Amino acid sequence: KQEVTQIPAALSVPEGENLVLNCSFTDSAIYNLQWFRQDPGKGLTSLLLIQSSQREQTSGRLNASLDKSSGRSTLYIAASQPGDSATYLCAVIGTGFQKLVFGTGTRLLVSP
Amino acid sequence: DADVTQTPRNRITKTGKRIMLECSQTKGHDRMYWYRQDPGLGLRLIYYSFDVKDINKGEISDGYSVSRQAQAKFSLSLESAIPNQTALYFCATSDSTHSSYEQYFGPGTRLTVT
Repeated sequence: KQEVTQIPAALSVPEGENLVLNCSFTDSAIYNLQWFRQDPGKGLTSLLLIQSSQREQTSGRLNASLDKSSGRSTLYIAASQPGDSATYLCAVIGTGFQKLVFGTGTRLLVSP
Repeated sequence: DADVTQTPRNRITKTGKRIMLECSQTKGHDRMYWYRQDPGLGLRLIYYSFDVKDINKGEISDGYSVSRQAQAKFSLSLESAIPNQTALYFCATSDSTHSSYEQYFGPGTRLTVT
C-alpha cells in the first residue's frame, strides 16, 4: 500500500528565505506526482505536476523535483513571501487506476 | 465561473439524517472523484467514477453512496449521518485522454454532523 510522508509538518520562516519542502513515498511505481496548495478552509490549487519520466518542473518561484527510484520529491520555493503561507500537499498517482494518495501536508508560515 | 463546483459549501446536520453533496464540472472530464479530509489524516478517497456507468469504491466508502447522473454531475450521499463523518469533502475531476491524469479540485463542502 502506497504511503506518502511530508516533512516537516510545519515550517516558519522570515520573508525572503528560500525553502524546501520534502515528500517521500513508499512505492516507486508511480505515474505522476502533484504538489498542491491549500489555504485554510479552502480547496486545493494544483501547483505543479511531474510525470514519472520527468525530473523536475518549474513555475515562477516554484521548482519541484522528482527522484522516483528513491521515492522522493522536493518543492523549492524561492524568495518566500507572506502570501506563500498555506498548507502544501504532495500526492502521487500509481500506475494502477490513477488514484491520488496524499501526504498529510506541510503547514508553511512566512512572516513579514 | 469555477470549473468544478460543489454545493452546499457548508452544511450542519443532525445524526441520522440523510444528506446529499453535489458536484458539477464544466471541464468536460470523464473521471470524477470524492475525497474527504480530516485533520492529521490528509485526503482519502471515498468513491470514484471513470464514466457514467463505471463507479467504484475507494478506501473509505462505508456509510456513503454515490450517483453519477451525467458526465458532468457526481453526487455523494450519506445515508444516515454520524458525527465521525464531520469533515471537509472535496470533489475532483480528471481527463483520461490527457496523459498526465492531473486532478482538479472543487472548493470543498464543510460538513458538520451533530
